[in-house]
Amino acid sequence: SAVISQKPSRDICQRGTSLTIQCQVDSQVTMMFWYRQQPGQSLTLIATANQGSEATYESGFVIDKFPISRPNLTFSTLTVSNMSPEDSSIYLCSVEDVTATNEKLFFGSGTQLSVL
Amino acid sequence: GENVEQHPSTLSVQEGDSAVIKCTYSDSASNYFPWYKQELGKRPQLIIDIRSNVGEKKDQRIAVTLNKTAKHFSLHITETQPEDSAVYFCAASREAAGNKLTFGGGTRVLVKP
Repeated sequence: SAVISQKPSRDICQRGTSLTIQCQVDSQVTMMFWYRQQPGQSLTLIATANQGSEATYESGFVIDKFPISRPNLTFSTLTVSNMSPEDSSIYLCSVEDVTATNEKLFFGSGTQLSVL
Repeated sequence: GENVEQHPSTLSVQEGDSAVIKCTYSDSASNYFPWYKQELGKRPQLIIDIRSNVGEKKDQRIAVTLNKTAKHFSLHITETQPEDSAVYFCAASREAAGNKLTFGGGTRVLVKP
């Protein structure tokens, strides 16, 4: 099964600044996604990270606020731009592993972001 | 788009009893329904999933049932143990849409010893 390394694991940031989260997978995967989990809430899909092209954003999320890069099939970054306290959440990278016998969608360990 | 409703939001059971969590979905084209368990401070992990060509699936103490006509599916945990305490999320997707999951709101399960 895919092993996903996500960093940083947590950060405390000042409002108005930006944070870039990295997601590294130990094998090539076609589909990579970024989710947000607000405190005590469910998971909401931010966007699909497309290799070699612009990410596909879900309703309510825009590229200017959450720019995403996907330079190859094993790596992606999510930037949270011009942060405000409302951006305090856990951000999760996930990948689809079609070679897995059981689990299909794997999650990284998440980045816990607190914005002051 | 897809909308997934999950009930109850919290569930407290005595150790050894059964726990049932129910979800409804809105998109009749959804055909993949996984359940994730998330322990405090940990990532969500898949515990069981079901596809729309199957009505029921069981794995030891965990079972999932699907009613396509009514567009609802349920998670059943039997003989609950304290280590079953966690937040459980149901989700739905169209597999042809690249497995973009829409999650339910979550159920916080507490198993009392």
